[in-house]
Amino acid sequence: TQLLEQSPQFLSIQEGENLTVYCNSSSVFSSLQWYRQEPGEGPVLLVTVVTGGEVKKLKRLTFQFGDARKDSSLHITAAQPGDTGLYLCAGGGGGSQGNLIFGKGTKLSVKP
Amino acid sequence: GAGVSQSPSNKVTEKGKDVELRCDPISGHTALYWYRQSLGQGLEFLIYFQGNSAPDKSGLPSDRFSAERTGGSVSTLTIQRTQQEDSAVYLCASSLVGGGSPAYEQYFGPGTRLTVT
Repeated sequence: TQLLEQSPQFLSIQEGENLTVYCNSSSVFSSLQWYRQEPGEGPVLLVTVVTGGEVKKLKRLTFQFGDARKDSSLHITAAQPGDTGLYLCAGGGGGSQGNLIFGKGTKLSVKP
Repeated sequence: GAGVSQSPSNKVTEKGKDVELRCDPISGHTALYWYRQSLGQGLEFLIYFQGNSAPDKSGLPSDRFSAERTGGSVSTLTIQRTQQEDSAVYLCASSLVGGGSPAYEQYFGPGTRLTVT
């Protein structure tokens, strides 16, 4: 069974601080996606990484896919209250299922 | 263009009743997924439709759960004889392609919050 473990589960920080969220697995994924979900809404895709070692930047967010394609990290620089939400990583291309394997998420709260 | 829509947005039902949840995917998307999310938790895969292929039902938690997709577009998730543990947000997503494509990207609807009393 493929699993994705996210850490930390909860994170509460002040505006302006930096943070990193981790997504780890013992399985290899052909792609990994990061989503952000706000209360009452569905997850919204932030980025997809497909190449081992790949780094993608989205404004203050930096995403990295591990060399072995088993792990990923999301780093946020100078967090803002608008970054508050549930961050989910999801691995794709594993097994015969067409679904994504989701981690349980990191709930981020950025206080002004 | 329009995103994924789901209805109803909220559903309160009594234990033992049947419920139907509807999902309208993005036009042209061949893959459709149903997930369940308990309060503050990650997403639990339920079922996946890809084109005209037989659906992948491996995530359905019991035989009280079923889903169909008509005409390759709209999907309905049916829960029979609802139980309190069925209370959750049910999310639908669609993607242009599905299966083994390395970079299929899923677009989610806002979800249906189901409460079983």
